[in-house]
Amino acid sequence: EVQLVESGGGLVQSGGSLRLSCAASGFTFSSYWMHWVRQPPGKGLVWVSRISGDGRITSYADSVRGRFTISRDNARNTLYLQMNSLGDDDTAVYYCARSWAELDYWGQGTLVTVSS
Amino acid sequence: QSALTQPPSASGSPGQSVTISCTGTSSAVGGYDYVSWYRHHPGKAPKLLIYEADRRPSGVPDRFSASKSGNTASLTVSGLQAEDEADYYCGSYTVDSDNFVFGGGTKLTVL
Repeated sequence: EVQLVESGGGLVQSGGSLRLSCAASGFTFSSYWMHWVRQPPGKGLVWVSRISGDGRITSYADSVRGRFTISRDNARNTLYLQMNSLGDDDTAVYYCARSWAELDYWGQGTLVTVSS
Repeated sequence: QSALTQPPSASGSPGQSVTISCTGTSSAVGGYDYVSWYRHHPGKAPKLLIYEADRRPSGVPDRFSASKSGNTASLTVSGLQAEDEADYYCGSYTVDSDNFVFGGGTKLTVL
């Protein structure tokens, strides 16, 4: 069974940093692209970033490029999102998702709250 | 502002059918057949309903169907059930930026 479990969310001050993790199981992790998607309170899903199976290719939404870094450790079956210079607009539930072309499995999400 | 445009709300009575549209551009939706649809109950993990514009993953009921014409994709939910009350999102890769984008979401209410 495919499972994705996010962790690392919490309350952080504006300008601070946080690293999210996503532990994957039930599939060959290194064979899949992985994504981060977020949902601000009361708003819709927003794509954040993605990374290729071997970690060599990454892309970011304009709103996070230069502040967030996606990475993965295929030996540990874990996806990461390093978030720096956090602002109020980064407050959201953050989901990790597996993809082929579509995002076919998602985690339950972890809440990040940025306080000013 | 989302790159893909969805109506903010839709509704129908149990047993009826509802169609949700998703309008993009030639570089998102129009440029690819990799349009997907997701259902999201608040507080839960989003669920893939449709991929490659009109294909259903195993386990998704055939009450869910979809199509694409030009820059517009559509999701139809037939035989509405109470559990279908949720937020629905379309998604697509963009040809120019090679990123992924979601529509703004449609809140489906089962009356």
